[in-house]
Amino acid sequence: GENVEQHPSTLSVQEGDSAVIKCTYSDSASNYFPWYKQELGKGPQLIIDIRSNVGEKKDQRIAVTLNKTAKHFSLHITETQPEDSAVYFCAASSNTDKLIFGTGTRLQVFP
Amino acid sequence: GAVVSQHPSRVICKSGTSVKIECRSLDFQATTMFWYRQFPKQSLMLMATSNEGSKATYEQGVEKDKFLINHASLTLSTLTVTSAHPEDSSFYICSAQRVMNTEAFFGQGTRLTVV
Repeated sequence: GENVEQHPSTLSVQEGDSAVIKCTYSDSASNYFPWYKQELGKGPQLIIDIRSNVGEKKDQRIAVTLNKTAKHFSLHITETQPEDSAVYFCAASSNTDKLIFGTGTRLQVFP
Repeated sequence: GAVVSQHPSRVICKSGTSVKIECRSLDFQATTMFWYRQFPKQSLMLMATSNEGSKATYEQGVEKDKFLINHASLTLSTLTVTSAHPEDSSFYICSAQRVMNTEAFFGQGTRLTVV
């Protein structure tokens, strides 16, 4: 089955700096890669996703890149703000299988 | 995005009692709903996959008789924690998808405390 690894587990950045979170997956059949943001005591919220027919997707300060050959995908947050502080999860799924989540990255943005 | 409502957000119950948690997709029909458990500072652990009109598929190690899942309609799935014990205390989260391999929308989560 699919296995998703996520790094780093914690990340601290200064406000205005960029943050990058990386994930690798094992199943070459995986073709859908969402990223979720979870604030304390709340359910995860989808922030961006990408499918395997695209190499990069951007939405304002957030971007995701996908390297199918290497089986890894990354989340990039530019111009970070304190409200970006949360736990971020990557995930992967295929046409026939459920979402598999990474272990999460706790991002802290210091003012 | 679509809205998934989970209720209650917090519940405290006594050991030995049962607790029901509801998960509703408010503005779309969900063929599949998922139930997760999350321990502090950890990732989401999938407990079971719930398909409307059929029995839930449980992940290995999850007790079917303890965590009863019912997906009676395309907009509602329930998780009942039976004969709750303190070790069942956790954060339970549901998610819903229109179809497999598409966006999963999560509920707000339910903090269960068993005393």
